[in-house]
Amino acid sequence: DIQMTQSPSTLSASVGDRVIITCRASQSISNWLAWYQQKPGKAPKLLIYKASSLESGVPSRFSGSGSGTEFTLTISSLQPDDFATYYCQQYNSYSVTFGGGTKVEIK
Amino acid sequence: QVQLQQWGARLLKPSETLSLTCAVYGGSLSGYYWNWIRQPPGKGLEWIGEINHGGSTNYNPSLKSRVTISIDTSKNQFSLKLNSVTAADTAVYYCARTICSGGSCYQIFNYWGQGTLVTVSS
Repeated sequence: DIQMTQSPSTLSASVGDRVIITCRASQSISNWLAWYQQKPGKAPKLLIYKASSLESGVPSRFSGSGSGTEFTLTISSLQPDDFATYYCQQYNSYSVTFGGGTKVEIK
Repeated sequence: QVQLQQWGARLLKPSETLSLTCAVYGGSLSGYYWNWIRQPPGKGLEWIGEINHGGSTNYNPSLKSRVTISIDTSKNQFSLKLNSVTAADTAVYYCARTICSGGSCYQIFNYWGQGTLVTVSS
């Protein structure tokens, strides 16, 4: 299995902050990486796919970058609705795997 | 608008079989892969497996020996069975649909069921 490691596991930030979450793959996955947002009691919501493509309807303050083994999710200006847990997911191999999650908390 | 609605037994004893069903509304099963994903309380996400309209399946190797995913095209539903459950199988289970475009499907999930918490306890 390809292991996905996210950092940090928890992040405290204020509204308006620029937030960066990192995801590292245990082997190269090209750009086959997605990012999801999950709020308590809800299913994950797809934000980014193919490392940097924004899913329809997702605000442009979300952006993704990276390739190979290192990826980032950036929120350019954190909004109240963005406090949630974020997961990366690789789909380079048919047995997809997720990162452990990054919880974005209110500072 | 595609909607996935899931149901199944929520409380199981060790060694029993977990059984969940996901119904698809507002769209066809054809042309997509249909997945099960689980999330233990307070933990991350784990992909369980997938099936397509024709019944072709792929499973997570770590669960393959205990998992069966099936599809009923007449009812627009697909199902998960996980046998010999233990407390480690306690989780919220989600059904989800992959994205398909231009004749290719990608194992990323843009439609999800509401989730079902399944608890395994003696």
